[in-house]
Amino acid sequence: QKEVEQDPGPLSVPEGAIVSLNCTYSNSAFQYFMWYRQYSRKGPELLMYTYSSGNKEDGRFTAQVDKSSKYISLFIRDSQPSDSATYLCAMRSNDYKLSFGAGTTVTVRA
Amino acid sequence: DTEVTQTPKHLVMGMTNKKSLKCEQHMGHRAMYWYKQKAKKPPELMFVYSYEKLSINESVPSRFSPECPNSSLLNLHLHALQPEDSALYLCASSHPGQGGDTEAFFGQGTRLTVV
Repeated sequence: QKEVEQDPGPLSVPEGAIVSLNCTYSNSAFQYFMWYRQYSRKGPELLMYTYSSGNKEDGRFTAQVDKSSKYISLFIRDSQPSDSATYLCAMRSNDYKLSFGAGTTVTVRA
Repeated sequence: DTEVTQTPKHLVMGMTNKKSLKCEQHMGHRAMYWYKQKAKKPPELMFVYSYEKLSINESVPSRFSPECPNSSLLNLHLHALQPEDSALYLCASSHPGQGGDTEAFFGQGTRLTVV
């Protein structure tokens, strides 16, 4: 079993829809949770960062962490074609090693 | 400024060549990382430097040799690579330690092709 599970998709939604992404994990020591967006042939761009459980909102993006269920989510409201990318969840405990999900490929159709 | 700058953006090298990848950040981060990413896969950690000292080496072959000359710079020296080493090489940086403000920022990567 992988330490972080993420459905690779692909996920295709119409413009303006809500995109819902999630990851589950098995390591209860994880405390730091990140979502990255990666366009083709580019480096990952940090979208959201959450320490421990709770919700965080930044513009059209909302990140949720439920440590009791070992489940994290990212919601993208009013999706745009420019949101078409691969979304990677990542998490770590108190060391430096980020554990990544497989990444979900999202296409927003105009 | 949350920028991590990597050079070159693209590199083609033969199996007998020696080349270096460079990474620079000016965010005051004291942890710097090298990752390798193959197509349609997540990044894989190679090395971590903390306060300019190598703290993690993920059993990377010796043909990859990291170097951290100072707190802003990170190099990856390449020698006698194999075609299967072709990948996107990513540099990242963060504040070390625990607590908030320790998220990792990535550069745009160097796309390496070994011929």
